[in-house]
Amino acid sequence: KQEVTQIPAALSVPEGENLVLNCSFTDSAIYNLQWFRQDPGKGLTSLLLIQSSQREQTSGRLNASLDKSSGRSTLYIAASQPGDSATYLCAVPSGNTPLVFGKGTRLSVIA
Amino acid sequence: EAGVAQSPRYKIIEKRQSVAFWCNPISGHATLYWYQQILGQGPKLLIQFQNNGVVDDSQLPKDRFSAERLKGVDSTLKIQPAKLEDSAVYLCASSSLTENSPLHFGNGTRLTVT
Repeated sequence: KQEVTQIPAALSVPEGENLVLNCSFTDSAIYNLQWFRQDPGKGLTSLLLIQSSQREQTSGRLNASLDKSSGRSTLYIAASQPGDSATYLCAVPSGNTPLVFGKGTRLSVIA
Repeated sequence: EAGVAQSPRYKIIEKRQSVAFWCNPISGHATLYWYQQILGQGPKLLIQFQNNGVVDDSQLPKDRFSAERLKGVDSTLKIQPAKLEDSAVYLCASSSLTENSPLHFGNGTRLTVT
């Protein structure tokens, strides 16, 4: 059974800092990994999807890497802004289940 | 393109009452999912449809939860009777049949059972 762990559970940083969010998964037989953002009271917004054949994906100030063999992914946010404050969720497929989610990292960027 | 639409946004009911949620996926998306997200947790899959057929409902508490997607487009999720532990956000998502296509989520329905 796939289990997804995200560390840290919460993070508070001053504006402008670069930061890294971590995700680990127990079953490395995945075909992709997806990072989502969730604002309070809102649904999930897809940020990046990395295929199993890729090692990283970039979108603006976001960079996600994937190391399938070790069961790890990181989400790097450059030059953080207060608007980046949200919960970030990592998710991977497991068997017939399309996505199994971690509990998320709650990020606060202080101006 | 229009996103995944869900209603209502909020619902408060007493335990043992019934409630229904509605979802309209992105046009052309054959696959529809219902997820339950309890406060402080990641979303958990309840049921997955492909067109109007059920692909996976192994985590749906079938004694009280039911879902249908009769015409292969919009879907309803029902809880009858509700329990206190059903308080959560119910998220609907959809995706196309293209391999590895991303899931697109609606804003969810926040259910409070008192």
